[in-house]
Amino acid sequence: EVQLVESGGGLVQPGGSLRLSCAASGFTFSSYWMYWVRQAPGKGLVWVSRINSDGSSTTYADSVKGRFTISRDNAKNTLYLQMNSLRAEDTAVYYCARDLAVAGASFDYWGQGTLVTVSS
Amino acid sequence: QSALTQPRSVSGSPGQSVTVSCTGTSSDVGTYNYVSWYQQHPGKAPKLMIYDVSKRPSGVPDRFSGSKSGNTASLTISGLQAEDEADYYCCSYAGSYTYVVFGGGTKLTVL
Repeated sequence: EVQLVESGGGLVQPGGSLRLSCAASGFTFSSYWMYWVRQAPGKGLVWVSRINSDGSSTTYADSVKGRFTISRDNAKNTLYLQMNSLRAEDTAVYYCARDLAVAGASFDYWGQGTLVTVSS
Repeated sequence: QSALTQPRSVSGSPGQSVTVSCTGTSSDVGTYNYVSWYQQHPGKAPKLMIYDVSKRPSGVPDRFSGSKSGNTASLTISGLQAEDEADYYCCSYAGSYTYVVFGGGTKLTVL
């Protein structure tokens, strides 16, 4: 059974940092592109970042470029999102998601989400 | 403002059909056949319902169908059931820079 389990969310002050993790199981993690998608409270889904299967290529939404870093450890079947210089507008539930097919931007499995709250 | 435009809400009675539209531009929906649709119940993670404009993942009822014309994609749900009441989001690949864009979401109410 495919499972994605996020962790690492919590309350952080503006300007602070957090690292989210997404533990994958039930599939060959190293074969899939992975994404982070966020959802502010009561709002819609917003794409944050994506990484290809071997970690050699990454892309970011303009709103997080230069502040967030996506990475993966295929030996540990884990996806990461390092978030620095956090702002109030980064407050959201962060989901990791698997791309159904290479570069198709269709997400067939999602984690349960982890809440990040940026507030003083 | 979301990159893709969806109606805020739609509604229908059990057994009826409803269609949710998703309007983009020639930089996303109009150029790429990578449109997907997600169902999200309150407090839950999104669920893939349609991908590549009109393909259904295994396990998704054939009551759900997708299509595209020009810059507008559509999700049609036929034979509405109470459990279809949820938020629905469209999504499109948008090229190697913008990459992925979502719609603002549509709340489906089953009357």
